[in-house]
Amino acid sequence: ETGVTQTPRHLVMGMTNKKSLKCEQHLGHNAMYWYKQSAKKPLELMFVYSLEERVENNSVPSRFSPECPNSSHLFLHLHTLQPEDSALYLCASSQEGTGFQETQYFGPGTRLLVL
Amino acid sequence: GDSVTQMEGPVTLSEEAFLTINCTYTATGYPSLFWYVQYPGEGLQLLLKATKADDKGSNKGFEATYRKETTSFHLEKGSVQVSDSAVYFCALSVTGGYQKVTFGIGTKLQVIP
Repeated sequence: ETGVTQTPRHLVMGMTNKKSLKCEQHLGHNAMYWYKQSAKKPLELMFVYSLEERVENNSVPSRFSPECPNSSHLFLHLHTLQPEDSALYLCASSQEGTGFQETQYFGPGTRLLVL
Repeated sequence: GDSVTQMEGPVTLSEEAFLTINCTYTATGYPSLFWYVQYPGEGLQLLLKATKADDKGSNKGFEATYRKETTSFHLEKGSVQVSDSAVYFCALSVTGGYQKVTFGIGTKLQVIP
């Protein structure tokens, strides 16, 4: 595997379910990100992990819970979601701390539908 | 706060037509500017970037010039192909321990044969 991978690619869940999204980066980066992409809205940054510590939480509801067990893996745990949470969830990674503004590399996303 | 404004589209062009997608920004400090592209069913990929005023980013026939005086970073291509059909995102970033990126809403481009 190369780049940034995400599983599953598609997920349908009820409002009472608990599920997790997984992201893995094979680039040796030290920062990982979760974004939400909804129709007709800019990408929304949800969480940022740098050196495995959460450094940003953009007023995301507590029904979304991130976890970063190591620099290569990032999870988004979902519980009691609402239909308006249906969206494409994108993971990204980058190498920070070099003094340059490095590119973020994105995974293909998980298309989530909440019924 | 930082923001990026771009035309929403969709933009429909015939093959070999000239493409311009406008992008303007507001930011504190001196951001880097990016264009990302998202093909159907895929994540975002970096298309080009510019890190300081008057820099020109280019890739795959696409170009954009960092214009500080007009706070713009318009994307251009001289002759589009059907394979260029995608959604194009203008973005800026400022570094503060990690890369904080602000994206525009995305412009859908459809190129017809």
